[in-house]
Amino acid sequence: KNQVEQSPQSLIILEGKNCTLQCNYTVSPFSNLRWYKQDTGRGPVSLTIMTFSENTKSNGRYTATLDADTKQSSLHITASQLSDSASYICVVSARDNAGNMLTFGGGTRLMVKP
Amino acid sequence: ETGVTQSPTHLIKTRGQQVTLRCSSQSGHNTVSWYQQALGQGPQFIFQYYREEENGRGNFPPRFSGLQFPNYSSELNVNALELDDSALYLCASSLDRTTYEQYFGPGTRLTVT
Repeated sequence: KNQVEQSPQSLIILEGKNCTLQCNYTVSPFSNLRWYKQDTGRGPVSLTIMTFSENTKSNGRYTATLDADTKQSSLHITASQLSDSASYICVVSARDNAGNMLTFGGGTRLMVKP
Repeated sequence: ETGVTQSPTHLIKTRGQQVTLRCSSQSGHNTVSWYQQALGQGPQFIFQYYREEENGRGNFPPRFSGLQFPNYSSELNVNALELDDSALYLCASSLDRTTYEQYFGPGTRLTVT
């Protein structure tokens, strides 16, 4: 069964600090891994997408890493801002004949305090 | 903004009623996926439509049904509503069924009382 596990479930940090969110997955056959940011009550917004051959990708203060051997990914947020407060969801895609089927993690709820 | 819109923003229904949620895809996208997101959890895949046909389905009962129209807008219909159907319903459009990127709408918050 395809699964995506994220940790921690929730995290509180002070503004300006860095943090790292973790994602472990058992999805086969692996196609790509995405990180989304979701503000409360809103739809997820894509931060990064990585394929099997990519092991790091940055989007501003967000840097995602992927280790396809250990089936782990991380999202590092640098110099956090109050607007970073949101849920961060790891999504892994398995490719089958119908296209890309997505498995979502439960998300990490990040709160950045002043 | 992703260019994907959903309506209504939120609504309240009574157990046993039926509901229709609507999604307008980003221009040029022929694939739409629907997700159910309970409070504090990640989205759960309901089904996907590609060129007006169902192209995959998650672990949801038949009372969850959908339609995709020739202009690629879509509907999610839920019959015989149950209290556990209360959730944020998200639709996401993509260029085609094999495209990596999905663009999510803002969601419809459904409350069943």
